[in-house]
Amino acid sequence: IQMTQSPSSLSASVGDRVTITCRASQTIRNYLNWFQQTPGKAPKVLIYAASSLHDGVPSRFSGSGSGTDFSLTISSLQPEDFGTYYCQQTFSAYTFGQGTKLEIK
Amino acid sequence: QVQLRESGPGLVKPSQTLSLTCTVSGASISSGGHYWSWIRQYPGMGLEWIGYIYYSGNTYYNPSLKGRITFSVDTSNNQFSLKLSSVTAADTAVYYCARMVSFGGAPPYFDFWGQGTLVTVSS
Repeated sequence: IQMTQSPSSLSASVGDRVTITCRASQTIRNYLNWFQQTPGKAPKVLIYAASSLHDGVPSRFSGSGSGTDFSLTISSLQPEDFGTYYCQQTFSAYTFGQGTKLEIK
Repeated sequence: QVQLRESGPGLVKPSQTLSLTCTVSGASISSGGHYWSWIRQYPGMGLEWIGYIYYSGNTYYNPSLKGRITFSVDTSNNQFSLKLSSVTAADTAVYYCARMVSFGGAPPYFDFWGQGTLVTVSS
């Protein structure tokens, strides 16, 4: 299953609302997770099962979608939100999106 | 707090076997609902799931790597291991071990990761 994220990169200001989308090449129901990765660190899970917030993740992060189309939204961007965001499907032979690099203006 | 740590050689010669071990602390590798996984990240940042092993020894490998991968688990030392045979330069990557959670048929996800270890394949 191929996962396609958009955009590949974006630049936004503190306080902005940011949305990243992820499309699966076939239906994956709600088997979709979102991760944030900062340079030199392992990815950290933000959202699992498409819309469930992982423990300790700020409530400004939210996820939605099912089937083939999903999105991650940051309601009010904070300086610590820079990094690369990845979606991942765990429906079958788990695969990741190519990543979205988020820069803070 | 659950912690995972990868260990193994940082340099492997082409055609040889890459071997890594992940040591888990703060959780029992024998606990139900947890699957112990390997994921790698190429220098260009792409992530690839390699597979997972359950404490019982059941495995699920990425079909693209099947035939070259062997996972094992050592419950007495709370460790699990990866062997990848016939390596080439294309296997150069940062290798992560991670815990995958899946309870009651819910969608699985990776909640704890190791720091990662760079393995370079070169003569």
